[in-house]
Amino acid sequence: DAGVTQSPTHLIKTRGQQVTLRCSPKSGHDTVSWYQQALGQGPQFIFQYYEEEERQRGNFPDRFSGHQFPNYSSELNVNALLLGDSALYLCASSLEGVLGARETQYFGPGTRLLVL
Amino acid sequence: SQQGEEDPQALSIQEGENATMNCSYKTSINNLQWYRQNSGRGLVHLILIRSNEREKHSGRLRVTLDTSKKSSSLLITASRAADTASYFCATVLSGGYNKLIFGAGTRLAVHP
Repeated sequence: DAGVTQSPTHLIKTRGQQVTLRCSPKSGHDTVSWYQQALGQGPQFIFQYYEEEERQRGNFPDRFSGHQFPNYSSELNVNALLLGDSALYLCASSLEGVLGARETQYFGPGTRLLVL
Repeated sequence: SQQGEEDPQALSIQEGENATMNCSYKTSINNLQWYRQNSGRGLVHLILIRSNEREKHSGRLRVTLDTSKKSSSLLITASRAADTASYFCATVLSGGYNKLIFGAGTRLAVHP
């Protein structure tokens, strides 16, 4: 049973560039959430996708956008990168519609982004 | 600002000792969850406690929830070196989708 996978594992970009991070949810899961974790901090919720639509968003600017595909995989795009965007980006998946499954999120290993 | 705050920020103990971490939050919750993170990688779900529950156990883990004080504690009994990690509490607010709001975490070091 494949868990949540993310690619790439590491990424280095320069200010002003754009980046796309990818996530494949755990087998059978249909909901994907993205989190940003700065060094030494707890993860912060970016947004959540269900049925190919963004249904909840955290306090992040429009430079952060996403997409969910029919196979439930997801992408996180960040435009006009800033130094402060350097962080670990975590993807988590869950299964909507089943109370216990919905509540438990399974996290991927993350993508570490460094903006120079 | 983050919903939850863990206390202490860092904890150092010897193998075999118990480790207790506390979490406080600000608003009404649907449930509270504890996660573990090794070396800045992905988080592992440990245990979930709902707002109408007061205590849950899972192996060497014991979680309590006091909604009147808006606080929770995680107890790891008979700790092992492999328990060395960062531990985060995360809350899910009442009436919302399953959006996790994390605290800053407790960094636990268990020495052999």
